[in-house]
Amino acid sequence: QSALTQTASVSGSPGQSITISCTGTSGDIGTYKFVSWYQQHPGKAPKLKIYDVSSRPSGVSNRFSGSKSGNTASLTISGLQAEDEADYYCSSYTTSGTWVFGGGTKLTVL
Amino acid sequence: QITLKESGPTLVKPTQTLTLTCTFSGFSLDTGGVGVGWIRQPPGKALEWLALIYWDDDKRYSPSLKSRLTITKDTSKNQVVLIMTNMDPVDTGTYYCTRSLTQDPPEYWGQGTLVTVSS
Repeated sequence: QSALTQTASVSGSPGQSITISCTGTSGDIGTYKFVSWYQQHPGKAPKLKIYDVSSRPSGVSNRFSGSKSGNTASLTISGLQAEDEADYYCSSYTTSGTWVFGGGTKLTVL
Repeated sequence: QITLKESGPTLVKPTQTLTLTCTFSGFSLDTGGVGVGWIRQPPGKALEWLALIYWDDDKRYSPSLKSRLTITKDTSKNQVVLIMTNMDPVDTGTYYCTRSLTQDPPEYWGQGTLVTVSS
């Protein structure tokens, strides 16, 4: 299985919205609703922000939202805040019964 | 409160075998649907999913690393062990232990342990 494809970097100003895309195949994103997104600050373990394409774990701000179309999933962060600056990773369950991650997207809040 | 903690060597030599232990609390690997797995991250690079073991001893491995990995559990000790053979410098990175439920992504992560492969 190959890693999911993410844009290397994205930036936005405080208050704006940004979208990060994640492209997979019919062997992962295209088949399952089990797409998730993680936020990782430097030196920290990743934190789950979205699961099952668009669900948020308890305590995660509703500024984070997810969607999927075909083999591509997207994470949108609205009302950007300085604390949102981090690396973001998508992940998907696969037809092999395993998981695969994306290459990561670095979000810069200008 | 669910916690996981990784332990093992910080430095291994090329060709050696790495053994990492995940000790967890706040849940049982006897409970239906529960899984404990491993994910790694080379310095400055992306996350890579490695392996997962479920409550019923179902084991899943990354296809690209399957020949080098073994995952086992000791329910009585609340521990999961990952063995990776034939270590190479490219295997250097932070190794995380995680907990998940069937077909759910890992929600709980350990702090990670940095493993360096160098002679």
